[in-house]
Amino acid sequence: QSVLTQPPSVSGAPGQRVTISCTGSSSNIGAGYDVQWYQQFPGTAPKLLIYGSRNRPSGVPDRFSASKSGTSASLVITGLQAEDEADYYCQSYDGSLSPSRVFGTGTTVTVL
Amino acid sequence: QVQLQESGPGLVKPSETLSLTCTVSGGSVSSRSYYWSWIRQPPGKGLEWIGYIYYNENTNYNPSLKSRLTMSLDTSKNQFSLKLNSVSAADTAMYYCAREFSGYDDYWGQGTLVIVSS
Repeated sequence: QSVLTQPPSVSGAPGQRVTISCTGSSSNIGAGYDVQWYQQFPGTAPKLLIYGSRNRPSGVPDRFSASKSGTSASLVITGLQAEDEADYYCQSYDGSLSPSRVFGTGTTVTVL
Repeated sequence: QVQLQESGPGLVKPSETLSLTCTVSGGSVSSRSYYWSWIRQPPGKGLEWIGYIYYNENTNYNPSLKSRLTMSLDTSKNQFSLKLNSVSAADTAMYYCAREFSGYDDYWGQGTLVIVSS
């Protein structure tokens, strides 16, 4: 059972802005741990999309942005494109037992 | 370019041990800069972090799997491995190995599907 909660699905028309939330607690995001975001297409391994809560690796389009505040984080896709249809996962650390990495429940983005 | 490749049996019987190896090319498991991770994904479900091993063989395991889990390094072959004992159907998943840097996985293997069934 994941400690980071995401909406199961979000959708939008091409060109629209969509936001994916990642809700944690005081033992993970709220404790100051960074949040990462991964994009996964069916049948493939996840790909790093955002690291350090707001940084894009080289090659990731700038229509992807992210932020963190309190016990939550958000991924925003501005100018949604058909090729953005995929699953998205947030990831952070949780210090409630020993510091261990945790993934969010995952969100499927559908382009209408 | 760093590449990771998982290998191991695709079918494991219940109560037996699941063993997987990840072979790294384009980088070294002896590097002090990275951790070497395992992540799994049951069919149709989300990602679950299994654990990681460091160059000095220090490990950090998911508390929910810790009692059944062992990770190791083979620097001569540039590989790292996972052993999960007493498996059940709940351990059926795609298993990925990955390189972790500063809390995030920047390179992933393609994954290997392990089915637990008699």
